Amino acid sequence: QKEVEQNSGPLSVPEGAIASLNCTYSDRVSQSFFWYRQYSGKSPELIMSIYSNGDKEDGRFTAQLNKASQYVSLLIRDSQPSDSATYLCAVREDNAGNMLTFGGGTRLMVKP
Amino acid sequence: ETGVTQSPTHLIKTRGQQVTLRCSSQSGHNTVSWYQQALGQGPQFIFQYYREEENGRGNFPPRFSGLQFPNYSSELNVNALELDDSALYLCASSLDPSASYEQYFGPGTRLTVT
Repeated sequence: QKEVEQNSGPLSVPEGAIASLNCTYSDRVSQSFFWYRQYSGKSPELIMSIYSNGDKEDGRFTAQLNKASQYVSLLIRDSQPSDSATYLCAVREDNAGNMLTFGGGTRLMVKP
Repeated sequence: ETGVTQSPTHLIKTRGQQVTLRCSSQSGHNTVSWYQQALGQGPQFIFQYYREEENGRGNFPPRFSGLQFPNYSSELNVNALELDDSALYLCASSLDPSASYEQYFGPGTRLTVT
């Protein structure tokens, strides 16, 4: 059974710092990877998707994927208090329809 | 805003009852997936509907069932409710599963079973 692991946190960083969120997955067939942000009491919001090894940047966010190590990470530069949320890592196996398997999420706290 | 809507927002039911949750997909999206998110956990896949057919199912019992309509909206039905069914139920829509992998979530329905 595919597993997606995240440190539950909380990860506490000062405002303006870089927050680094990590995710490992067990299934080598996984091909697509996603980061969702979820504020307390709200639904997950897609912030990044990555399909190939390497880095993908979007504004203050950078996703990093290493399929050989089965590792995906999300870097948030210049962290803001509004970034305080739970970050969910999700993986998709290409031959399993469109099913996403989620990790338990990492709670990020950005302190002013 | 993703354009995905769900109703109702909150629901309180008694153990043993039945419930129907509704989802309208984002314009242009023909695939709807349902997830259950218990407090403090990540979402768990229940099933997916593509062009009115079930297109995959997670590890949930048959009392969880669904439908998709010609306009691609969808329903999740849960029979014989149990206390452990208390959770946030999320609907996500996406384009044709063979062409796009990004899923966009609606606001969710918070179900409480007492």
